Amino acid sequence: KQEVTQIPAALSVPEGENLVLNCSFTDSAIYNLQWFRQDPGKGLTSLLLIQSSQREQTSGRLNASLDKSSGRSTLYIAASQPGDSATYLCAVGPDSWGKLQFGAGTQVVVTP
Amino acid sequence: EAQVTQNPRYLITVTGKKLTVTCSQNMNHEYMSWYRQDPGLGLRQIYYSMNVEVTDKGDVPEGYKVSRKEKRNFPLILESPSPNQTSLYFCASSLGVGGGHTIYFGEGSWLTVV
Repeated sequence: KQEVTQIPAALSVPEGENLVLNCSFTDSAIYNLQWFRQDPGKGLTSLLLIQSSQREQTSGRLNASLDKSSGRSTLYIAASQPGDSATYLCAVGPDSWGKLQFGAGTQVVVTP
Repeated sequence: EAQVTQNPRYLITVTGKKLTVTCSQNMNHEYMSWYRQDPGLGLRQIYYSMNVEVTDKGDVPEGYKVSRKEKRNFPLILESPSPNQTSLYFCASSLGVGGGHTIYFGEGSWLTVV
């Protein structure tokens, strides 16, 4: 069974610093890896999707990398802002059987 | 606007009283899925559906039922709710499984069973 881990569980940085969020997975035979943002009491918003054949994806200040051989993905957020405060989750899949596994998330606080 | 709509958003119910949480998507997606989110346990998959009339169990299916009679709707049924089903529930959909399909989530349904 695919296990997805996110470290650290929580992170606090001053505004302007770059954020580095980590996601690791145990089974490298993946189709997709997605990064989501969740605000308190809200649903999940997709940030970036990396297909298994890709090494990275970029959108604005966000960049996500994927290294299947080591079972890792990293989400970089450049020049963090207080509005970036949220919980960030990574998810592996869905696989061909429809299974989707989430990490527990990293709670980020960006202080002004 | 592309969206996944869940109802109700908030519900307090009593043990044993059957309830249904509806989920509807307007994107003609094949794949739909239900998750529950609990503190310290993260998001766990309850059931999923690859297409109409095709459903399968996720990691925590006990106490839940689903049906997929039409493509746009995927209701979650709690036949006899218990307090351990108090949770935040999310419905999600995507065009398919495999490569390159973004998953869209509903806003969530807060369910309390007393």
